[in-house]
Amino acid sequence: GAGVSQSPSNKVTEKGKDVELRCDPISGHTALYWYRQSLGQGLEFLIYFQGNSAPDKSGLPSDRFSAERTGGSVSTLTIQRTQQEDSAVYLCASSLQGSGGTQYFGPGTRLLVL
Amino acid sequence: QQPVQSPQAVILREGEDAVINCSSSKALYSVHWYRQKHGEAPIFLMILLKGGEQKGHDKISASFNEKKQQSSLYLTASQLSYSGTYFCGTPETGGTSYGKLTFGQGTILTVHP
Repeated sequence: GAGVSQSPSNKVTEKGKDVELRCDPISGHTALYWYRQSLGQGLEFLIYFQGNSAPDKSGLPSDRFSAERTGGSVSTLTIQRTQQEDSAVYLCASSLQGSGGTQYFGPGTRLLVL
Repeated sequence: QQPVQSPQAVILREGEDAVINCSSSKALYSVHWYRQKHGEAPIFLMILLKGGEQKGHDKISASFNEKKQQSSLYLTASQLSYSGTYFCGTPETGGTSYGKLTFGQGTILTVHP
């Protein structure tokens, strides 16, 4: 069956530009998570969606970061005025419900800010 | 609070065994284990929910100690395909909470022929 998909797979942008990263979760999964992984580092939580609501945005590093989810499905993570320190792999995961169940990860978007 | 993994890295020859530990200064509600190969998404291995629980499939197994402050991942008779970075993840709260995971820093496992 189809897993979590993300696009683009790679993104190179110039400092100061805005970028949008997309996540398509597994069909029927109500919970969706965004994580960030810097080179050689662990996974850093950014934001969690249950349906279209985001009850926890505590991991977003600054107000340049925002995310939305529509129709209880696709989610978009937007980074405005990108900085070099935003360079990382952005991973999306979904789970059937948000109660500690298995999270299935997408392949990630590798963002490089020049 | 981020769980602590040890060791940070381990190098094995095919057929050797390894143990990766994940510990916390407070009780953990559950422990999730993932493996990530270079350039790929983390792949779910297993969840342990109860103190004293042990799980396994094939030659990879894990335990969750009674006090629920440590979990160990056991890899026996390692294969080349076991190479990757292993992460443990734990939710901050239990019960019906939403399951946001806080991950350890990862353990890099390299298996040589």
